[in-house]
Amino acid sequence: NAGVTQTPKFQVLKTGQSMTLQCAQDMNHNSMYWYRQDPGMGLRLIYYSASEGTTDKGEVPNGYNVSRLNKREFSLRLESAAPSQTSVYFCASSVNGERLTGELFFGEGSRLTVL
Amino acid sequence: KNEVEQSPQNLTAQEGEFITINCSYSVGISALHWLQQHPGGGIVSLFMLSSGKKKHGRLIATINIQEKHSSLHITASHPRDSAVYICAVRDYGGSQGNLIFGKGTKLSVKP
Repeated sequence: NAGVTQTPKFQVLKTGQSMTLQCAQDMNHNSMYWYRQDPGMGLRLIYYSASEGTTDKGEVPNGYNVSRLNKREFSLRLESAAPSQTSVYFCASSVNGERLTGELFFGEGSRLTVL
Repeated sequence: KNEVEQSPQNLTAQEGEFITINCSYSVGISALHWLQQHPGGGIVSLFMLSSGKKKHGRLIATINIQEKHSSLHITASHPRDSAVYICAVRDYGGSQGNLIFGKGTKLSVKP
């Protein structure tokens, strides 16, 4: 029972390079999220997907794009990485309804450094 | 303005002590989450609650909706409880993705 799997766990990029963080969940959850965590700050939402086929911006979407490929997978892409995007990224999923919040399940995190 | 405030920010305890971590919020909520982030970085969900009290092993979470306050208690603390504890609320009026996170409480339990 893998839960939420995200890759890669570590990545070093040069400014301007692009990369995609992959996330997959095997719990049949409809909602998926991408967060970033920076020192001294709480988790901040980048993008989320309430259900397959939909995506919405969160608090800090600039510089990122997402794809909800199917119900299992939700990827985060940095088209042109900047040092300000150095962070730890977490993917999460939950069972959500219209007004229902389900328990959150997190991936192990991806530590990204942009030089 | 922080909509979710946790206290204390840092907490050091001796093994066996009873620990309380507090979370206050300013918005109407449909649910409140307590999360644990291990020193290695992984985050796990401890509780999700919208009223009353929940208990899991040595952990107890309570919420007072009227006072907009929640507490996480750890009984008979152990060094393996050392972690960052994060409170997050689902804003009732917000979008489905709108979980508001506190900055966390770093707990260190000494043997």
